Amino acid sequence: EVQLVESGGGLVQPGRSLRLSCAASGFTFDDYAMHWVRQAPGKGLEWVSGISWNSGSIHYADSVKGRFTISRDNAKTSLYLQMNSLRAEDTAFYYCAKDTGYDFRTAIDYWGQGTLVTVSS
Amino acid sequence: DIQMTQSPSSLSAFVGGRVTITCRASQDISTSLAWYQQKPGKVPKLLIYGASTLQSGVPSRFSGSGSGTDFTLTISSLQPEDVATYYCQKYNSAPFTFGPGTKVDIK
Repeated sequence: EVQLVESGGGLVQPGRSLRLSCAASGFTFDDYAMHWVRQAPGKGLEWVSGISWNSGSIHYADSVKGRFTISRDNAKTSLYLQMNSLRAEDTAFYYCAKDTGYDFRTAIDYWGQGTLVTVSS
Repeated sequence: DIQMTQSPSSLSAFVGGRVTITCRASQDISTSLAWYQQKPGKVPKLLIYGASTLQSGVPSRFSGSGSGTDFTLTISSLQPEDVATYYCQKYNSAPFTFGPGTKVDIK
């Protein structure tokens, strides 16, 4: 059974940093691209960042480019999102999500339960 | 960047009724489009990929069509458990943008 378990969310002040983690299991982690998708409370889905199976291809939404860094450790079957210079508009549930392919150009087939990041003073 | 729009933003239909949701891309994305269902308080679920291929386990009352810039998700006979928000997403190239969503309710 595919499992994606996020951690690292919480309350953080504007301008500070936070690192999210996602522990993956139930599939061959290094065969698939992975994503972070966020959803502000009561709002729609926003794709944040994606990373290919071997970290050779990485993409970001314009809204987080230069502030967020996605990474993965295939040996630890884990995905990460380093979030710097956080803003109030970054407040959202952050979902770890598995792609159906190794290098994008395919859909997302599994989602974690999400971790809430609240940016507020 | 390619923009994704959906219409309507919300709709109500009777149980057993036919529901059609439209998704439009601002540029040609071929058939690189997925549809997701998100029920209240739940995480999204993949319904359709490749614009028209049903994900395993998804009821056959769901169908997708379209290519290029115009796409449609159809629920042939709306059921109470279909109450949800539906999102389209493009995945031909980054950024992998979602549409704004369509909320479906029972009338």
